[in-house]
Amino acid sequence: QVQLVESGGGVVQPGRSLRLSCAASGFTFSSFAMHWVRQAPGKGLEWVALISYDGSKKYFADSVKGRFAISRDNSKNTLYLQMNSLRVEDTAVYFCGRSASPVDAVDMWGQGTRVTVSS
Amino acid sequence: QTVVTQEPSFSVSPGGTVTLTCGLSSGSVSTRYYPSWYQQTPGQAPRTLISSTNTRSSGVPDRFSGSILGNTAALTITGAQADDESDYYCELYMGSGIWVFGGGTKVTVL
Repeated sequence: QVQLVESGGGVVQPGRSLRLSCAASGFTFSSFAMHWVRQAPGKGLEWVALISYDGSKKYFADSVKGRFAISRDNSKNTLYLQMNSLRVEDTAVYFCGRSASPVDAVDMWGQGTRVTVSS
Repeated sequence: QTVVTQEPSFSVSPGGTVTLTCGLSSGSVSTRYYPSWYQQTPGQAPRTLISSTNTRSSGVPDRFSGSILGNTAALTITGAQADDESDYYCELYMGSGIWVFGGGTKVTVL
């Protein structure tokens, strides 16, 4: 079955770290670029980060640059988002998605994992 | 910083046609922005409707179409149905690996 499954969300205090994972199955993970997109409660979608198929290129939204890192392990068919120095405004549902290339739209989405940053 | 603009809301009658637009706070949207459109209902993951201006995703009904209209990207729903009631987001490629979403349009079918 072709799917993406996020995990790793939870409640964390401001300033702490959290790592999200996105497990891919049913397709050739190593052939696709991968994105993280988030949605704060009651708000719209916000693109967060993008990694190329081989992990050599990484791109970030200004709102997370320098705090978040994106990586992938193609041997494990898994995408990661390392979130450091978390802020209250990082509270959101985080979705992973795949795209054929960095200039292609996301064509498949995971169901999301919720991150709450609160003291 | 360039902002991607969308109408906050739209209402359409069942069977009617509605065109949502996606613009830039500065400049015009063209195909080089690879505009894409997503549909989302509350509590669900987004669903990809349109990529690269006008390429319909697999399984998307042909009542959804994408285009460039003037200086904006556009999503047209022709023959709206009740289950088209959703939030619709456009996304533009800004270059250098950066994508930006619009604020979304809430479509009501009534």
